[in-house]
Amino acid sequence: SQQGEEDPQALSIQEGENATMNCSYKTSINNLQWYRQNSGRGLVHLILIRSNEREKHSGRLRVTLDTSKKSSSLLITASRAADTASYFCATSSYGGATNKLIFGTGTLLAVQP
Amino acid sequence: NAGVTQTPKFRVLKTGQSMTLLCAQDMNHEYMYWYRQDPGMGLRLIHYSVGEGTTAKGEVPDGYNVSRLKKQNFLLGLESAAPSQTSVYFCASNNGQPQHFGDGTRLSIL
Repeated sequence: SQQGEEDPQALSIQEGENATMNCSYKTSINNLQWYRQNSGRGLVHLILIRSNEREKHSGRLRVTLDTSKKSSSLLITASRAADTASYFCATSSYGGATNKLIFGTGTLLAVQP
Repeated sequence: NAGVTQTPKFRVLKTGQSMTLLCAQDMNHEYMYWYRQDPGMGLRLIHYSVGEGTTAKGEVPDGYNVSRLKKQNFLLGLESAAPSQTSVYFCASNNGQPQHFGDGTRLSIL
């Protein structure tokens, strides 16, 4: 079963605007990651936030994590047409022998030039 | 440095046919994974491997088999393809985080 649910499913904005997408998950996690997928390509890692962190920045990306609400948000500031892609959250949980990830259903972001 | 390479990129099969998807990584990663991606479903884990000679079931393993005879290669097999296995298949590998993905194999079963 899917761990993460993402909201919204699709988002269309103008170049220069900010884009915010949200992820909710169900069980305790070790870390939460965000990936981007351009059309017809594989997933590319964007940022990882650990369960003991509340906020993390990387360039134009800002990720927050609220473990009490089991939710995370990804903010892309000053969006560009090249940011058009699908964005997925993925969680890594405690226990188990691997670095298995459980992915959310994704948000499709369209940035209009 | 090619990263994760998947072959083939596209394939059309008839119901009941068999085939093998190949994943190769050149990053000396211990862990490798096979996912399928369907519309509106995100990625779901089929099988994974924690090292050469090991495999384990993921979330949706039925109808698939895997082998990890060499550390750099992870093979996904469909013994008797079914239309429900029409999907895009992704391979990934890592040692810690994050996972590194190939560009996928688009598989259609008629």
